Amino acid sequence: GENVEQHPSTLSVQEGDSAVIKCTYSDSASNYFPWYKQELGKGPQLIIDIRSNVGEKKDQRIAVTLNKTAKHFSLHITETQPEDSAVYFCAAIYNQGGKLIFGQGTELSVKP
Amino acid sequence: GAVVSQHPSRVICKSGTSVKIECRSLDFQATTMFWYRQFPKQSLMLMATSNEGSKATYEQGVEKDKFLINHASLTLSTLTVTSAHPEDSSFYICSARNRGAYGYTFGSGTRLTVV
Repeated sequence: GENVEQHPSTLSVQEGDSAVIKCTYSDSASNYFPWYKQELGKGPQLIIDIRSNVGEKKDQRIAVTLNKTAKHFSLHITETQPEDSAVYFCAAIYNQGGKLIFGQGTELSVKP
Repeated sequence: GAVVSQHPSRVICKSGTSVKIECRSLDFQATTMFWYRQFPKQSLMLMATSNEGSKATYEQGVEKDKFLINHASLTLSTLTVTSAHPEDSSFYICSARNRGAYGYTFGSGTRLTVV
């Protein structure tokens, strides 16, 4: 069935360190994998996404990698800052043009 | 960029009453909109997929008679929580997909409290 697993559920790092969050998906037909940042009381904000024809994508301090064979993708944040503290969700699209299924979320805490 | 406006941001209602939440795509046409529910410290759970001009598709376990969805135009979808009960209290979030694009844009969410 449709399933996205995300780990870890909580992650605490020191300012300046890197943070890595990992997700696996179940549907080999999934072809779009976005990452969202959600702050308390707000809707999710897209921070980066990757399509299945690409193995890696980078945007300044944020990068995403995709391994289609293993059906997993990861978010990498380098040089973390306190304002990076939030809940991060991975997601995968099921049924092309259809629904977006979310992972369980990772609460990232960046300590000054 | 694509903007989705969701209203109201907060609503408190009495048990047994109905509440309507609006989701509008402001600068693009959205043939498909999605409604999610999020409980504290949990992930977004898809409730239903709303297609313009047709009936919504509900996820398993979601009561279609309780959560009425209307997608009357390419820029507006509404979710009505009927006969609300305290257990319906949650954060409801809509999302719209730009026609022909891959991106999904989310609204800012509605905090529903049923007393």
